[in-house]
This record gives sequence, C-alpha cells and structure tokens, in this order.
Amino acid sequence: SQQGEEDPQALSIQEGENATMNCSYKTSINNLQWYRQNSGRGLVHLILIRSNEREKHSGRLRVTLDTSKKSSSLLITASRAADTASYFCATDANTNAGKSTFGDGTTLTVKP
Amino acid sequence: DGGITQSPKYLFRKEGQNVTLSCEQNLNHDAMYWYRQDPGQGLRLIYYSQIVNDFQKGDIAEGYSVSREKKESFPLTVTSAQKNPTAFYLCASRGEGRKTEAFFGQGTRLTVV
Repeated sequence: SQQGEEDPQALSIQEGENATMNCSYKTSINNLQWYRQNSGRGLVHLILIRSNEREKHSGRLRVTLDTSKKSSSLLITASRAADTASYFCATDANTNAGKSTFGDGTTLTVKP
Repeated sequence: DGGITQSPKYLFRKEGQNVTLSCEQNLNHDAMYWYRQDPGQGLRLIYYSQIVNDFQKGDIAEGYSVSREKKESFPLTVTSAQKNPTAFYLCASRGEGRKTEAFFGQGTRLTVV
C-alpha cells in the first residue's frame, strides 16, 4: 500500500485564495518531499523537509511536518491559475536508500 | 543544461512485443528510478539503481527489465509478460540517495494497440 496519502483528492478554489493539502504516512521517515505535476508532464520538486524540521517556506509555499502525527501539509498562498496541477507528497523511509514512496496526489484547480 | 531526458514521448506497442524506453541524465547522479503512473493515481516504483551495474526490483517489477551499464543511462524494457502495460512511465534520478530531491524526465506514454 502507498506510504503517503493526500487529502483532499481534489480541490477547487478561486484565484487569490489559499490552498491547503495534507499528506499522511505510516512509517518513520527520513524526509518528506512535495512535488507538482502538470497534466501529462513529469514531476517537479517543490520542497524537501527533513524529519527534524517542522516548517519550511519557499516563496508562496509553506510546508509543515508533524512526525508525531505522521502528517504534513502544503499551503499555497495567494493562488494563481498557473498553480493548477496535481500535487504529490513522497516519503523516504529510514530503512531504504533514496527510494521514495508517493501518494495518489491532490488535484488542484484554481479558477481565474 | 543539466537534466534528465526520456524518449520517446509517445510509444505504441503491439500485443506480444517488447519495447524499450530510454532515460538519460547528465546530472552525474548515482541513483536512477523508473515509476509507472496510471490515470488519477500516484507513482509506483518499477526498478531502481543506486550505482552502475546494480539494480533492484521495486514494487511492481514483474514484466519489466532494466540495465545500468552506464551511469547516465537507465533503459526500461516492457516485455510481453507485462499484461497491462498501457500507462505513463516516469524516470527519475537523485544525487546522494536520501538527502536530495528527485529530478524527473517528462515521461513516456505507452499504449498497447
């Protein structure tokens, strides 16, 4: 079964609103990554957060990690139509070497 | 311009035919990965390689084969034993194993005709 599970599966918002996506996982991790995928394209890395970190920022993106709850969230502030994409979390467990496990993703639609 | 290149972008396979998907990277990464993505779903790991001349099965390796003869190349063969090969295939590479993010190619969409 997948290590990471995103919630919600789909999210539709208006331009300018904030979008929050959540990711839950099952086993201890070394780090957690968030990726973005435009339709029919490859994945693009957004942020990597290590297990000893609680929050990271990158531009309009804010990622939090709660290892006690085995969960992470991705917040996109002041969303734009160009943010429309699928967003995936991926986890690296402590027991493997660079082999990430992906969730099924959240599909975000930002309406202009 | 550093990156990871997959080819072809679209591939059509006849029943019973083997096809090979190409993946090349010039990022000097040791680790390379192949994932399969079905519509509306996440990525499932097919095979991965942490170093030249070595590779391991992922979660869904049956019906697939790989080779890693060169650091920059990690081709995937979809064999006739793979009963449902129609999918989007993504190749990725990483430096320093667990410490860094993965870089992805643009994918190959394989369709059985």
